[in-house]
Amino acid sequence: KQEVTQIPAALSVPEGENLVLNCSFTDSAIYNLQWFRQDPGKGLTSLLLIQSSQREQTSGRLNASLDKSSGRSTLYIAASQPGDSATYLCAVRGNTPLVFGKGTRLSVIA
Amino acid sequence: GAGVSQTPSNKVTEKGKYVELRCDPISGHTALYWYRQSLGQGPEFLIYFQGTGAADDSGLPNDRFFAVRPEGSVSTLKIQRTERGDSAVYLCASSLGWGNTEAFFGQGTRLTVV
Repeated sequence: KQEVTQIPAALSVPEGENLVLNCSFTDSAIYNLQWFRQDPGKGLTSLLLIQSSQREQTSGRLNASLDKSSGRSTLYIAASQPGDSATYLCAVRGNTPLVFGKGTRLSVIA
Repeated sequence: GAGVSQTPSNKVTEKGKYVELRCDPISGHTALYWYRQSLGQGPEFLIYFQGTGAADDSGLPNDRFFAVRPEGSVSTLKIQRTERGDSAVYLCASSLGWGNTEAFFGQGTRLTVV
């Protein structure tokens, strides 16, 4: 059974810092990995999708990497802003629909 | 539509009542998913449709939960004899198909059973 773990559970940083969120998964037989953002009381917004054959994807200040063989992904956020404050969720798709981690709650302090 | 739409956004019901939650997927998306999210947790899978049929309903917690997608577009999640433990945010997602496709989520329905 696929299990997804996200570390840290919560993170608080001053504005302008670069930061890394970690995601690990137990079964490396995946089709893709997706990073989402969730604001309080809201649904999930897709940030980046990495196919199993890819090593990384970039969108603006966000960069996500994937090491499928070791079951790890990282989400790098450059020059963090208070508007980046949210919960970030990692999810993997294998032979089952998306399996999610519990998320990392990020606070960027102005 | 432009995105996945879920109605209602909030639903308060009494214990023991029946509720229906609706999901309108992105036009043309054949795959539709229901998830449930409790406070402080990641979304948990409930059921997946490919077209009109439920391809995987292994996440439904018990037989009080049922979902349909009769015409391969709109889906309804039905909960009978609601219990306080059913209180959660119910999320719907859709994608072009199975496998290497991006999933898009709606805003969710917050269900509160009192």
